[in-house]
Amino acid sequence: AQTVTQSQPEMSVQEAETVTLSCTYDTSESDYYLFWYKQPPSRQMILVIRQEAYKQQNATENRFSVNFQKAAKSFSLKISDSQLGDAAMYFCATNTGNQFYFGTGTSLTVIP
Amino acid sequence: GAGVSQSPRYKVTKRGQDVTLRCDPISSHATLYWYQQALGQGPEFLTYFNYEAQPDKSGLPSDRFSAERPEGSISTLTIQRTEQRDSAMYRCASSPRAGSNEQYFGPGTRLTVT
Repeated sequence: AQTVTQSQPEMSVQEAETVTLSCTYDTSESDYYLFWYKQPPSRQMILVIRQEAYKQQNATENRFSVNFQKAAKSFSLKISDSQLGDAAMYFCATNTGNQFYFGTGTSLTVIP
Repeated sequence: GAGVSQSPRYKVTKRGQDVTLRCDPISSHATLYWYQQALGQGPEFLTYFNYEAQPDKSGLPSDRFSAERPEGSISTLTIQRTEQRDSAMYRCASSPRAGSNEQYFGPGTRLTVT
């Protein structure tokens, strides 16, 4: 089984600043994907960014980018130019085949 | 449909009652997942379907939980003899095909057992 650990239950960032959310995972698989999902107060689950484990290049999606360190099994999310709408719960996840595993989440507050 | 839908959005039931939750996936999607998300936690896998087949139900917490997808489209999750610890958000997600890394979540059903 795979496990996903998010060691920061809460984080805060000043509007327009940059914040990094941490995630580590444990897997014995060689072929897997990593994800960051956003859960705003509406409680929807929205995919923010996705990384294929066999790709060394870090994924980016507009203001969101990841720092993927495969050997360290680390997958952090960087949010640049933070906006009020970024305030949400962020979940790190990994999958192999049809099994998805989620961390416990990091609650991000954006301070105006 | 345009997205994954779930009904009801909220359900309050008394302990000991049975409840059935419904998921309507994206129409072309072969694979459907059920998750349980307790407050302050991430979603936890319950089971999944590939069309009408249910290859993995290892995440179902007890035999009170069962799921069906008889025609390979709409799915139901039934909890028999509900207990207070069953209170959670139940989320459905669908994927275009088995093994896909794309997963589209529904809005969830918030179940409260009193």
